[in-house]
Amino acid sequence: KNQVEQSPQSLIILEGKNCTLQCNYTVSPFSNLRWYKQDTGRGPVSLTIMTFSENTKSNGRYTATLDADTKQSSLHITASQLSDSASYICVVRDYSSASKIIFGSGTRLSIRP
Amino acid sequence: SAVISQKPSRDICQRGTSLTIQCQVDSQVTMMFWYRQQPGQSLTLIATANQGSEATYESGFVIDKFPISRPNLTFSTLTVSNMSPEDSSIYLCSVEDRQDSSGNTIYFGEGSWLTVV
Repeated sequence: KNQVEQSPQSLIILEGKNCTLQCNYTVSPFSNLRWYKQDTGRGPVSLTIMTFSENTKSNGRYTATLDADTKQSSLHITASQLSDSASYICVVRDYSSASKIIFGSGTRLSIRP
Repeated sequence: SAVISQKPSRDICQRGTSLTIQCQVDSQVTMMFWYRQQPGQSLTLIATANQGSEATYESGFVIDKFPISRPNLTFSTLTVSNMSPEDSSIYLCSVEDRQDSSGNTIYFGEGSWLTVV
């Protein structure tokens, strides 16, 4: 069964610190992997999207990495801000005629002042 | 990019009633989707809203419970029928738009947060 597993489930860090969120997937073959940020009670917003041939992609203070061999991705947040408090969701699309999108359960990040 | 407007943004509904959620996109899109996100859970696809034909439902979701309309390429509605407390969720409208060589980007509306009492 195609799955997307994220860790940690939740994380609390101090403002200004860096953090890294993990995403492991079993979807194979896969078309692309995306990271989304979801504020509480709001819709997810796209941060990055990568194909299997891309190793890293940045969006401001957010940097996503991808290792297609080990089926792992990470999202690194630099110099965290209070506004980074949100859920971060890893999403993988499988490379098939069905082209299903599989969502991870997310990491809940809280930034403390 | 696509801008998606959903309404209502939130509502408190009585058990047994039905509520229709509207989704308006600022551009014509081929693919529109409806998702449900229960508290603390990930997103689950309810159905694909097809323009001019019946929606395609995922396993576990049926048309009688979640009727969907898609009268044109910029608008869709999802009705949650005969609601029970288990239907308390955020309901999200979503569209796909080709962004770059990495593939399509999926855009989400702000969500409609329903609480059934």
